[in-house]
Amino acid sequence: LAKTTQPISMDSYEGQEVNITCSHNNIATNDYITWYQQFPSQGPRFIIQGYKTKVTNEVASLFIPADRKSSTLSLPRVSLSDTAVYYCLVGDAGLNTGGFKTIFGAGTRLFVKA
Amino acid sequence: DTGVSQNPRHKITKRGQNVTFRCDPISEHNRLYWYRQTLGQGPEFLTYFQNEAQLEKSRLLSDRFSAERPKGSFSTLEIQRTEQGDSAMYLCASSLAPHYEQYFGPGTRLTVT
Repeated sequence: LAKTTQPISMDSYEGQEVNITCSHNNIATNDYITWYQQFPSQGPRFIIQGYKTKVTNEVASLFIPADRKSSTLSLPRVSLSDTAVYYCLVGDAGLNTGGFKTIFGAGTRLFVKA
Repeated sequence: DTGVSQNPRHKITKRGQNVTFRCDPISEHNRLYWYRQTLGQGPEFLTYFQNEAQLEKSRLLSDRFSAERPKGSFSTLEIQRTEQGDSAMYLCASSLAPHYEQYFGPGTRLTVT
């Protein structure tokens, strides 16, 4: 399983765009990149997933360069309620083997200030 | 559907006692996962079911831990002879294959005194 490296913490102000980069140098061909958000005392919540290039949904964008050794989660115009921990995961759904193992790192603690 | 539910939300027990947690996944989801999370750390994978079959077990899942999903619906996680190191948040998640997105429950916070 590919190991991921993220910044431990980041600070931002309301209304700014926040970019959180995740390194995954030994990503495998079958691996997807997934980001989750977690608030205190809650379970993680899926944000976005991608395999290559760019993916955008109503919440965030995910940029993946051609070599796929890193990815960047972009949160447009953050608000105070975006203060949370953000996890980058890299893994294979194991559709052929029937197994799927999810490895969370320590995540990035984003603190949005007024 | 109200999402993944877990019971109880909080459990305080004395060292050496057995505890059991329940997870009710989203009804049509065929995959169910258990994780453990300690303060300041990300969730750690424990085990995974596809329908009623337990397909993956982490080495974190010692002999004192057992999980079941008897009818491919709800699941239980039992910890026997609890130790203080078992104190953590136990999270359950479910997904619908082949989609990767996992939906997490609110967790059960276990405190072993």
